[in-house]
Amino acid sequence: DARVTQTPRHKVTEMGQEVTMRCQPILGHNTVFWYRQTMMQGLELLAYFRNRAPLDDSGMPKDRFSAEMPDATLATLKIQPSEPRDSAVYFCASGLGQGSLNEQFFGPGTRLTVL
Amino acid sequence: GEDVEQSLFLSVREGDSSVINCTYTDSSSTYLYWYKQEPGAGLQLLTYIFSNMDMKQDQRLTVLLNKKDKHLSLRIADTQTGDSAIYFCAESNRDDKIIFGKGTRLHILP
Repeated sequence: DARVTQTPRHKVTEMGQEVTMRCQPILGHNTVFWYRQTMMQGLELLAYFRNRAPLDDSGMPKDRFSAEMPDATLATLKIQPSEPRDSAVYFCASGLGQGSLNEQFFGPGTRLTVL
Repeated sequence: GEDVEQSLFLSVREGDSSVINCTYTDSSSTYLYWYKQEPGAGLQLLTYIFSNMDMKQDQRLTVLLNKKDKHLSLRIADTQTGDSAIYFCAESNRDDKIIFGKGTRLHILP
């Protein structure tokens, strides 16, 4: 049963601390996306990768956020330093990209609370 | 830029039909989607329609596409309590990215 996994599922931290969120995309998928969901803003695209190369991170605050894919089985999203306004649910999704149905498969999310 | 708009809330009585509406701006959309998000979970593709179609039916779900008006709707027949969720309208063109609306929260009244 192939699915996207994310760790941790919940994270509570204090302002100023570093936060690292991890995602394992579905094996064989070549696109990976990071989204942030809040009540006010809805679902925002932060960054996406194709074949591990970052293609668009225009939605990400560059001064504190960074996204990487060290290998095809791991994507990371780091926030340093974290701020209370970063509190949200962060989703990772993977897919086969353009040329197919372009369906994205979402992980269960990491609920981040920054105090 | 590309945009997808949908109403934020809808309340429907159990057994009635639910109709969720959406408008989009990208005239070059190739796929239009409805994703469902249940509490505490990620989004999951519910159904989709190619831009050259105007209707698609899948059991209790009916998707209508008016390409001229850039209007997409999702009808859920015989709405059940298990249909309570957030429904996201979305579109994509030749890009990898999918543009999502803010989601419509469907509340089922007993």
